[in-house]
Amino acid sequence: GAGVSQSPSNKVTEKGKDVELRCDPISGHTALYWYRQRLGQGLEFLIYFQGNSAPDKSGLPSDRFSAERTGESVSTLTIQRTQQEDSAVYLCASSFGFRPAGTDTQYFGPGTRLTVL
Amino acid sequence: AQSVAQPEDQVNVAEGNPLTVKCTYSVSGNPYLFWYVQYPNRGLQFLLKYITGDNLVKGSYGFEAEFNKSQTSFHLKKPSALVSDSALYFCAVREGGNTGKLIFGQGTTLQVKP
Repeated sequence: GAGVSQSPSNKVTEKGKDVELRCDPISGHTALYWYRQRLGQGLEFLIYFQGNSAPDKSGLPSDRFSAERTGESVSTLTIQRTQQEDSAVYLCASSFGFRPAGTDTQYFGPGTRLTVL
Repeated sequence: AQSVAQPEDQVNVAEGNPLTVKCTYSVSGNPYLFWYVQYPNRGLQFLLKYITGDNLVKGSYGFEAEFNKSQTSFHLKKPSALVSDSALYFCAVREGGNTGKLIFGQGTTLQVKP
């Protein structure tokens, strides 16, 4: 079936505004992840959802960042009061949710490029 | 703490020559190791992973990687490079267990010249 999809592909916003980024995982995948990729850098883990378990929020950089997931489907990453340092590509990934989770392969979407002016 | 190092920002090879992209890791438990490739303006594509078993792992597009526990390395290799292999390559590690997050290296740009 289709891969991970993300929308919008590009988002330009003004400093101080809120933004919402959306991720549609691969059908049947129970695990969903958000990462941030700053220009010229590797990926930073943000948050991980696995089924009905409490999400692992250990990577969220501040309380301006939050994410929700509806069941085992769509997820939304929200950034409130955006700052210029939030400019990055935000990547979503999903996986089957095998145990142990460390063996699971994550499949990535194309990302949302966020620019904060 | 887990970490991954990719010591080379860029690797240049001629088409047809073998290529190696280096990766070393640090974890306290058993490592689960991954390689991904990123083409311009696109998401990451999975190449291969090491979980357990044979130290030589074969993956997509003719790539392979060798897990070396004593050297804590997981170098990516290909016997004969193609111009189309030019891209950004990321090594990533998960510590054994149920943690979901991947720790990524900074990436290595592979440039294959005709």
